[in-house]
Amino acid sequence: EVRLVESGGGLVQPGGSLRLSCAASGFTFSNFWMNWVRQAPGKGLEWVANINPNGSEKYYVDSVKGRFTTSRDNAQNSLFLQMTSLRTEDTAVYYCATAGFDYWGQGALVTVSS
Amino acid sequence: DVVMTQSPLSLPVTLGQPASISCRSSQGLVSTGGGTYLMWFQQRPGQSPRRLIYKVSNRDSGVPDRFSGSGSDTDFTLKISRVEAEDVGVYYCMQGTHFPFTFGPGTKVEIK
Repeated sequence: EVRLVESGGGLVQPGGSLRLSCAASGFTFSNFWMNWVRQAPGKGLEWVANINPNGSEKYYVDSVKGRFTTSRDNAQNSLFLQMTSLRTEDTAVYYCATAGFDYWGQGALVTVSS
Repeated sequence: DVVMTQSPLSLPVTLGQPASISCRSSQGLVSTGGGTYLMWFQQRPGQSPRRLIYKVSNRDSGVPDRFSGSGSDTDFTLKISRVEAEDVGVYYCMQGTHFPFTFGPGTKVEIK
């Protein structure tokens, strides 16, 4: 059974940093692209970033370029999202999802507020 | 960026009646490899999104056959042949052909 479990969310002040993790199981993690998607409270879905199987290719939505970095550890079946220079508008539930968006985690809430 | 629009944004439906959601993209979604990466997701209240349809018309495993997807190029449709109570939620289309991937604003389906 495919399982994705996000962790690392929390409350952070504007300008601060946070690192999200996504633990994957039930599939050969090292073979697949992975995605991050976020959802601000009461709003729709926004694709944030993705990364190729060996971590050499990464793409980001413009609003997070230069502030967020995605990475992965295939030995640990883990995906990461390092978020810096956080803004109030980054407040959202952050989901990791598989390559084709066929599996999603339960999400991690990131709240950016003073 | 490719802009995805959906209509209607709110869809009250009577149980057992059909429902249809339209999704339009600002650019064609046929990739250089020939595939059209248009997906539909259902998000029930308090849950993570769930993919229903991929590549326009392919139903995911476990998705009831009352759900169907159709369309091409820039114009796509999700149909529910007979709405059931468990179908309440928000439905999103998403294009995965062009970076950045983009979602529609969502259509809220509720029971009348």
